[in-house]
Amino acid sequence: KNQVEQSPQSLIILEGKNCTLQCNYTVSPFSNLRWYKQDTGRGPVSLTIMTFSENTKSNGRYTATLDADTKQSSLHITASQLSDSASYICVVSGNYGQNFVFGPGTRLSVLP
Amino acid sequence: EAGVAQSPRYKIIEKRQSVAFWCNPISGHATLYWYQQILGQGPKLLIQFQNNGVVDDSQLPKDRFSAERLKGVDSTLKIQPAKLEDSAVYLCASSRAGGGNQPQHFGDGTRLSIL
Repeated sequence: KNQVEQSPQSLIILEGKNCTLQCNYTVSPFSNLRWYKQDTGRGPVSLTIMTFSENTKSNGRYTATLDADTKQSSLHITASQLSDSASYICVVSGNYGQNFVFGPGTRLSVLP
Repeated sequence: EAGVAQSPRYKIIEKRQSVAFWCNPISGHATLYWYQQILGQGPKLLIQFQNNGVVDDSQLPKDRFSAERLKGVDSTLKIQPAKLEDSAVYLCASSRAGGGNQPQHFGDGTRLSIL
């Protein structure tokens, strides 16, 4: 069964600190892996997209890594800001352009 | 560029009533998606259109849900009759191609509450 799991379910950190979110998947075949940020009451916004051949991709303070062999990905947030408080969703695409499997998300709270 | 527009923003109805949601994707985006997001969960794909044709509707409860994308631009999603478990946020997204490595651009969704 195609599944995407994320950990932790929720995380609280202080402003300025770094954090890492985890994503494990069993989706096969694999096309790409995406990380989205979803603010409360808003739609998800794309942070990174990685294909099988990419093992790291950055978007400002966000850096995603991918290990296609172990089917794991991580999202590292550097020097967190209050505006980073949101849910972070990992999405794996199977057959080219289709079969998007969403994880349940990690709820991040950044405190002053 | 203007984002994905959805309306209404909120909707409250009683069970067994019908409801419709509207989505206007980003201009030029051929692919349109409807998702259901239940509180505390990730979005679940309901239906994917490529222009005005259906690519994937395998998770659409076809006995009560229907969707159309006439002329390959705007789309509507309808629920008839609604059940309590349909309470969720309905998200519309669009992308340039059939998915591939293109990012999906999401609207802010319609929050549906069933009484």
